[in-house]
Amino acid sequence: DAGVIQSPRHEVTEMGQEVTLRCKPISGHDYLFWYRQTMMRGLELLIYFNNNVPIDDSGMPEDRFSAKMPNASFSTLKIQPSEPRDSAVYFCASSFIGGWYNEQFFGPGTRLTVL
Amino acid sequence: AQTVTQSQPEMSVQEAETVTLSCTYDTSESDYYLFWYKQPPSRQMILVIRQEAYKQQNATENRFSVNFQKAAKSFSLKISDSQLGDAAMYFCAYRSVMGDDKIIFGKGTRLHILP
Repeated sequence: DAGVIQSPRHEVTEMGQEVTLRCKPISGHDYLFWYRQTMMRGLELLIYFNNNVPIDDSGMPEDRFSAKMPNASFSTLKIQPSEPRDSAVYFCASSFIGGWYNEQFFGPGTRLTVL
Repeated sequence: AQTVTQSQPEMSVQEAETVTLSCTYDTSESDYYLFWYKQPPSRQMILVIRQEAYKQQNATENRFSVNFQKAAKSFSLKISDSQLGDAAMYFCAYRSVMGDDKIIFGKGTRLHILP
């Protein structure tokens, strides 16, 4: 398996622009997680899905952030409009119930820079 | 709510020596999972070792081992025979067995390996 796939790996955009981050979880996994990592705040869980349904979005910082999972093999995290403080590394992770310790497998991350 | 604390933001160790990274956590649950993740400069999050709280035996994975003290709510990671490739950010993490599926991460410890 190719593991969790994220695109793009790097994104540079200007303040006010819409940004869309993409994630393909590992096939067969039924949980998908979006995290944000910054120096100041560390690794924060933004939202997670179970069987394509959002379960907990309490970590989403504000209405500018939205996430969707239209099917089991694809999820997006959208920021509209983007702001410089959104600059961070965004990780997607997936897991499945019944897996050993329900381990989360992480993607390589998307480094977002908002100018 | 559960919390995970890593009190050492940075540590250094001489190559081939042994180093211990500290982690404490707070929970009212009796069963849970604990993890150590490694994040090298490539940013990829890699699971190093895992422990389930009801298992008294400390987990070991090659040069990595843990000292799990349930009563003290302590979960330290010992790296033996440190290698240059061990240089990374290390995150301690907690996950409930029952309840929600979120992983709670500590702030991380950056480990430097001195040649």
